Amino acid sequence: GAGVSQTPSNKVTEKGKYVELRCDPISGHTALYWYRQSLGQGPEFLIYFQGTGAADDSGLPNDRFFAVRPEGSVSTLKIQRTERGDSAVYLCASSNDRGRGYTFGSGTRLTVV
Amino acid sequence: QKEVEQNSGPLSVPEGAIASLNCTYSDRGSQSFFWYRQYSGKSPELIMSIYSNGDKEDGRFTAQLNKASQYVSLLIRDSQPSDSATYLCAVFGNEKLTFGTGTRLTIIP
Repeated sequence: GAGVSQTPSNKVTEKGKYVELRCDPISGHTALYWYRQSLGQGPEFLIYFQGTGAADDSGLPNDRFFAVRPEGSVSTLKIQRTERGDSAVYLCASSNDRGRGYTFGSGTRLTVV
Repeated sequence: QKEVEQNSGPLSVPEGAIASLNCTYSDRGSQSFFWYRQYSGKSPELIMSIYSNGDKEDGRFTAQLNKASQYVSLLIRDSQPSDSATYLCAVFGNEKLTFGTGTRLTIIP
């Protein structure tokens, strides 16, 4: 696609529920990143995929968070047993040359009530 | 110590003046450096990249890098109200970008 597409744009869920956030990167971009941004903060790294494999998942806060990219294109970030502290904007970015900057999607605003 | 540090602001600059945004980083192995602009409620947008010491100019924007001092800056000349946004400094190293908390810039007409 022309840009990085994220769905849904907004998600409100109840505490304890499971959510999935989807990212469709720019066509041909092999690197895909997930970040989380809380109000007044910069984006915080969660996980990085190179192709189908998670090259670095050191930013995932705990084992409730998991992400997949089974065919090396679309990625899904999965959050189990959501907590109010998970409320944030989840940003996806892709790149074909990691050292040259990323293109971000418009983000998914997750609110856990 | 945070890996990438920025003054959170807010920074207020009169229209037409020069806005100066600063950033320091802790990892000497960092390879490339970026400035992103983020309007309220929007996602970050890449506006400048710099890879070697010195200045890089693009229109009204100039990025400056000093690796010895671990310092990156962004100058915005002839500031316009549309430049009002949060500016995020980002540093690439260890296969990922690390961001500062951002500096909120307001251009006063």
